[in-house]
Amino acid sequence: EADIYQTPRYLVIGTGKKITLECSQTMGHDKMYWYQQDPGMELHLIHYSYGVNSTEKGDLSSESTVSRIRTEHFPLTLESARPSHTSQYLCASSEISGTNTGELFFGEGSRLTVL
Amino acid sequence: QQQVKQSPQSLIVQKGGISIINCAYENTAFDYFPWYQQFPGKGPALLIAIRPDVSEKKEGRFTISFNKSAKQFSLHIMDSQPGDSATYFCAASRAGTYKYIFGTGTRLKVLA
Repeated sequence: EADIYQTPRYLVIGTGKKITLECSQTMGHDKMYWYQQDPGMELHLIHYSYGVNSTEKGDLSSESTVSRIRTEHFPLTLESARPSHTSQYLCASSEISGTNTGELFFGEGSRLTVL
Repeated sequence: QQQVKQSPQSLIVQKGGISIINCAYENTAFDYFPWYQQFPGKGPALLIAIRPDVSEKKEGRFTISFNKSAKQFSLHIMDSQPGDSATYFCAASRAGTYKYIFGTGTRLKVLA
C-alpha cells in the first residue's frame, strides 16, 4: 500500500490566484516527482527531486515551481493561475535501487480548474 | 528519441477475451519497461514490469512480451474481466536517470 498523499483533491479557483498543491509521502523515498495529466490521459513530467534541496524541471515546461525542504514533502506552487493550468497534477515517489529506477508510487492526484 | 508510442488509444473486449496493448520505443538505452494501471479518480499503480534480459514475464493473468530487436513490448491480459476496465500506461526508463517516459495510455473497457 502506497503512502503518498495529495491535497486538495479538487480545486476550483479564479484566474490570477496563487495556489499550492501539497504532496507528502511516509515511505522515506528520496525521489519525488510531479506529473501533469492531460484530459486525454497523457502523463508529462514537470518537476522532480532527488532529495532535500534538489529540484529539477521535467520534460514539459511548466510555470509552476516546487520546493523540497523536507524528505517527505514536495509542494507545487502556481503564483498566478490561468485557465491553461487546468489539469490533473499527480505526485509520485520512488526509492533508489542502485542505478535502477525504482517503482513509482503515485498519489491520487489534485484536479485543478482555473476559471 | 525519448518517445514511447502506445496503441491502441482505446480497446473494447468481451469478458473472457484477451486484451493486447502495444508499445514501441526508439532509445536503445532504455532498460526497464513497466506497465501502470489507472482507475478513474486514482493515481496509476504498477501492474507488471520487465527488463530486456528476458523476453516474457507473467504474473497471473497479465503477461509482458518483449522484443528487443524490434524495440517493442506488449501487455496481454488473459481472461479479461470487467474489473480490468481501466487506463493502462506503458513506460520506459534508463538506468541512472531515475525518470520514466510514459506512453499516451490505452482506455480498456471489458464488457460483462
